[in-house]
Amino acid sequence: QVQLQESGPGLVKPSETLSLTCVVSGYSITSGYYWGWIRQTPGKGLEWIGSIYNTGTTHYNPSLKSRVTLSVDTANNQFSLTLRSVTAADTAVHYCARQGRVLDSRGYNYVDASDIWGQGTMVTVSS
Amino acid sequence: QSMLTQPPSASGTPGQRVTISCSGSSSNIGNNYVHWYQQFPGTAPKLLIYRNNQRPSGVPDRFSGSKSGTSASLAISGLRSEDEADYYCAAWDDSLSGVVFGGGTKLTVL
Repeated sequence: QVQLQESGPGLVKPSETLSLTCVVSGYSITSGYYWGWIRQTPGKGLEWIGSIYNTGTTHYNPSLKSRVTLSVDTANNQFSLTLRSVTAADTAVHYCARQGRVLDSRGYNYVDASDIWGQGTMVTVSS
Repeated sequence: QSMLTQPPSASGTPGQRVTISCSGSSSNIGNNYVHWYQQFPGTAPKLLIYRNNQRPSGVPDRFSGSKSGTSASLAISGLRSEDEADYYCAAWDDSLSGVVFGGGTKLTVL
């Protein structure tokens, strides 16, 4: 049974860096999926942050790209999110997810559905 | 402002058939797969429909998805009280090179 579990500080000060880790169990992170982060601000909708393939290929939300870095730690079967220079607008529940990969007829490679999700972790940005 | 447009709310009575729409453009729905997620308060979203009309194992066949042009729909037949939840559509967007979500639809079972 594949499970994902987010971990990290629940409170980050403005202008500092948010760092979260997602530990994957029941599946090898090197086995051909994208691994992504999605956030949800309180009472609002879902926002994709970014995704990383096991080879290190990344896709980032253009609105966050300048502040985001995703990485994969194959030795510990986990992947991580780093978001720099946070503000109150970054306060949200953060989910990690396993995401499929599409290689379509145009030769494009992109992120497919998020089929397994972590339970989510709330991160509040406040001084 | 979401790249995919969903109605903020929908409702139906038990046993009815309800549809939720998701409108996009040629850069997302028009050229790529659409997925649907179900979310209950305080819990993580759950994949309900993937690649336009495919159901993951365990999802009842009361749930179905379709796509036509730059729009997609989620249909729920034989509506039950336990279907009351938020529903989100999502797709890859070629212009953004990223995943875009709809704003979500809150389904109420009357």
